[in-house]
Amino acid sequence: DAKTTQPTSMDCAEGRAANLPCNHSTISGNEYVYWYRQIHSQGPQYIIHGLKNNETNEMASLIITEDRKSSTLILPHATLRDTAVYYCIVRPPNFGNEKLTFGTGTRLTIIP
Amino acid sequence: GAVVSQHPSWVICKSGTSVKIECRSLDFQATTMFWYRQFPKQSLMLMATSNEGSKATYEQGVEKDKFLINHASLTLSTLTVTSAHPEDSSFYICSGGPTSSYEQYFGPGTRLTVT
Repeated sequence: DAKTTQPTSMDCAEGRAANLPCNHSTISGNEYVYWYRQIHSQGPQYIIHGLKNNETNEMASLIITEDRKSSTLILPHATLRDTAVYYCIVRPPNFGNEKLTFGTGTRLTIIP
Repeated sequence: GAVVSQHPSWVICKSGTSVKIECRSLDFQATTMFWYRQFPKQSLMLMATSNEGSKATYEQGVEKDKFLINHASLTLSTLTVTSAHPEDSSFYICSGGPTSSYEQYFGPGTRLTVT
């Protein structure tokens, strides 16, 4: 799986958009970008994934650069409950029965 | 989304004893489930892949005789930590997902403390 680089930590004011970057310069053509988050003392939660087009769901938006070497997860209106560690993972299509490799992630703190 | 449960959510045991952690997929069948371990302020580390009806596959450095995995049915995988030591104290998380889905679902985790 391609290696990802994320900032160790970020702060964001409550109600503002939280933009979490991820660099994946060695991503291969068939690898997707996945985002998970882990709230303290809980299991990780799937957020979103994409290949090359921007994606949006009820939780977040995913913006992938044209060269696919980086991406940004956007939480449009951050709340205190969004405080968590966010993991960016790149890999071939992740079917439910394939393992995931987690990096160090970004610890996002939402400030009241 | 699909639900994965774990039991117990936390357990305290004495050094030298064994403890079993259950992982259940509540609304899907899982031929494969994964066990992770997470130490404080660290990321999740994959320990092993649990395969229904066959032996588990362990990651390098994980002792298969210490961490016994049984995947007896399509909805239940168990991890038994044998002869537990204080250094086994950690947060254990399981995951799985339907083969037809792009998503993988994680259990809420089990916090093990060995005294």
